[in-house]
Amino acid sequence: QSALTQPASVSGSPGQSITISCTGTSSDLGSYDFVSWYQQHPGKAPKLMIYEGYNRPSGVSNRFSGSKSGNTASLTISGLQAEDEAVYFCCSYAGGSTVIFGGGTNLTVL
Amino acid sequence: EVQLVESGGGLVQPGGSLRLSCAASGFTFSSHWMHWVRQAPGKGPVWLSRINLDGSSRSYADSVKGRFTISRDNAKNTLFLQMNSLRAEDTAVYYCAGDFRNSWYFDLWGRGTPVTVSS
Repeated sequence: QSALTQPASVSGSPGQSITISCTGTSSDLGSYDFVSWYQQHPGKAPKLMIYEGYNRPSGVSNRFSGSKSGNTASLTISGLQAEDEAVYFCCSYAGGSTVIFGGGTNLTVL
Repeated sequence: EVQLVESGGGLVQPGGSLRLSCAASGFTFSSHWMHWVRQAPGKGPVWLSRINLDGSSRSYADSVKGRFTISRDNAKNTLFLQMNSLRAEDTAVYYCAGDFRNSWYFDLWGRGTPVTVSS
């Protein structure tokens, strides 16, 4: 059960778009559509931003979008805002009734 | 208000035990899977365990299988995690999470309870 691979950090200026990748294997992320993304601000619990790879829960801005191709999932944030600065984690069902997370990507809004 | 509140964390010696609780309110607890997730300082979350609606199905990460036991009391809207044979590497903040779609997603998180395993 190895963690999913995410870049350690990404950055962008207000108004720009950024994309965070999340890479797994054909045994986990590549085999299932149960992919989710979470936003975590310092000292807070994670918040669900995307589920089923591309769906947004009620209340999440449509500036957040998700996709998946093969063993890689992506989170795109458009129209970056200062409040988007946080750590983002991807997550995938890994078979055998287990789940794995990514190591997290620190998003800096310049 | 829809919320989860964890309790029971603290300092414990290696080899010791702790029982975490998670009180749910504001939603129909018995209709949803529940999970435990932990996060060490500066690290990503790690999923630990899931329990289905009536507790008849439970699953665990390899790292805690045989040492941790998840359970629930639907009459009291409470989730539990019994942790035995604790190790230093179990030190983390422990979160309970509600899976409102019963599909391996964590829709609602508590604030977490810290566990420190140290002599």
